[in-house]
Amino acid sequence: DAGVTQSPTHLIKTRGQQVTLRCSPKSGHDTVSWYQQALGQGPQFIFQYYEEEERQRGNFPDRFSGHQFPNYSSELNVNALLLGDSALYLCASSLPGQTYTDTQYFGPGTRLTVL
Amino acid sequence: GQSLEQPSEVTAVEGAIVQINCTYQTSGFYGLSWYQQHDGGAPTFLSYNALDGLEETGRFSSFLSRSDSYGYLLLQELQMKDSASYFCAVRPRDDKIIFGKGTRLHILP
Repeated sequence: DAGVTQSPTHLIKTRGQQVTLRCSPKSGHDTVSWYQQALGQGPQFIFQYYEEEERQRGNFPDRFSGHQFPNYSSELNVNALLLGDSALYLCASSLPGQTYTDTQYFGPGTRLTVL
Repeated sequence: GQSLEQPSEVTAVEGAIVQINCTYQTSGFYGLSWYQQHDGGAPTFLSYNALDGLEETGRFSSFLSRSDSYGYLLLQELQMKDSASYFCAVRPRDDKIIFGKGTRLHILP
């Protein structure tokens, strides 16, 4: 059983560009959350998708947007990249009913570098 | 605001016991979770406390006291592979999960 997968593994962009990151949840999981983790910091919640709808959103600007597909996979889009967007972007999935136990399964992340 | 405080670093000896504390300021939350993250790796779920008290999972135990706004992760029989960063996290009533900044655990042989 494959765990949570993310692509690409690494990405280098320049300021002002746009980026799309992809996530496939663990088999049977329907809820996908995205996090930004700066070096030496804890993950920061960006948003969560359930049934193709954004269910909750953290304190991130509208430049950060997402999408969930019928097969539960998800994309994170960031427009007008800033140097400060350089970070590890983590995707996490959870089982129905486990959302409130916080048992999330994280993917390996996408390391985004903005030059 | 809502925040979680953890020590930035803790050092312990192989075979010993170590406790990593987490204090929080949040108006209400569903439970306290703990995650482990090795360098270059993804966070992995360790434990969850919905109620006050101790939860034990093998060598790891976690404790929560809502009245004291405090929790901790206890690691016993430390092994070198336990060298990692440990994060506490809460899900407030608004469902926007908050992670602490993490505690880097160094284990000495």
